[in-house]
This record gives sequence, C-alpha cells and structure tokens, in this order.
Amino acid sequence: DAGITQSPRYKITETGRQVTLMCHQTWSHSYMFWYRQDLGHGLRLIYYSAAADITDKGEVPDGYVVSRSKTENFPLTLESATRSQTSVYFCASFGAGRVNTEAFFGQGTRLTVV
Amino acid sequence: RKEVEQDPGPFNVPEGATVAFNCTYSNSASQSFFWYRQDCRKEPKLLMSVYSSGNEDGRFTAQLNRASQYISLLIRDSKLSDSATYLCVVRYNFNKFYFGSGTKLNVKP
Repeated sequence: DAGITQSPRYKITETGRQVTLMCHQTWSHSYMFWYRQDLGHGLRLIYYSAAADITDKGEVPDGYVVSRSKTENFPLTLESATRSQTSVYFCASFGAGRVNTEAFFGQGTRLTVV
Repeated sequence: RKEVEQDPGPFNVPEGATVAFNCTYSNSASQSFFWYRQDCRKEPKLLMSVYSSGNEDGRFTAQLNRASQYISLLIRDSKLSDSATYLCVVRYNFNKFYFGSGTKLNVKP
C-alpha cells in the first residue's frame, strides 16, 4: 500500500540493548524525519535526511543513529537504550518542490525501555 | 526559547461554541505554516495550511501575522468530533518542520 509505515508498532526492550525502529515510504519523498513525542514536550526532531546517504541532526540526536542507504527507508537505531528514551516515535516524510508541501506521518512506534 | 510556542490548554468548550488558538514562532525566516490535528497520540494529520492572506476551510479559519510572528486557528460551531490536540507547525530552511507542543481541545455536549 502507498504511504508511510513504521515497524514495529509497539516495542519493549531492556536498558542497554540495541533496538532499531523501521520507517518505509512509497512516495519516493526525498526528505524523511524522525520525531519523538513525550508528554509536555510535543514533537521533537531527532534526525532528518534530505536524500539517500544525507542525514543531519535535529534537536535531540544524542543516543540515536540513523542511516539512509535507500530513499524509501530511514531506520532509527538506539545503540544502547535508556529509560529516558521511552517515548512514541514518529517517522515523517515530504517531497521537495512546493513551499507549502506538508509532512506525512507514520502511525508511530511506542517504545518502552525497562 | 522554543521555536514554536502554543498554549497547552485544555480548552473546554460546549458544542456550537467558537474557539481560537494562537501560536507564536521565533524564526522570522519561517517559510510555511500549518495546523495539524492529533488524536490520542496517534500520528498527526494535516488540518490545513496557513497562507499569508488567511484561509478558510469550512468551519476552520487560519490566519498568519508575519509582523508579530503568530498564527491562529479559529473553529466555529464546534463539534464533539473536533476534540483533539491541535499542533502548530512552522517550516523553515526549506527542510525543517518545527512543532508546537499542541493545544488540547475538549468539546462537551
């Protein structure tokens, strides 16, 4: 199906483990983003990517790693998960071109670190 | 200072009421502005873009004031289904979207 999908939808992991959240979009959008959402903080940008092999840090990148070897995929890895990384993670994408192009979001991944 | 600031609410209004939300942004070079709606921590979805001249979509009216760096959303004739969190979104540097923390709206019968 066309769109942007995240997996898994729910994940429980232990402190210190590595975990990867997947994001896949079928529109060939050039830009992709990872946000986390915590109560009282709204959405905060972790990393973004302008194209394959081009990534850059957002507001809260510490503890996260991204890669983008293909345009359609933008995985987010927590190298050594901490409890403070318990959050809801949203992936988003948009296509370059029009200034008023909006971002589209995946359904989110609820991550709990115990 | 946050890039985008909103009153978190909640705004508790009766059905049929008119309610307005404001949002301020800090970067005068901001290019595009949007209101998103988010239900129960599901993914945000675009409600409407905000244009310089102001724009309307049914019961929703959005306005932009670049001089004062704020945008607003007006909802007329509120419905129960309008209950949600409304996120103010600002885009600049072409590729960065910044979100406000959201304003929660509760429409009551």
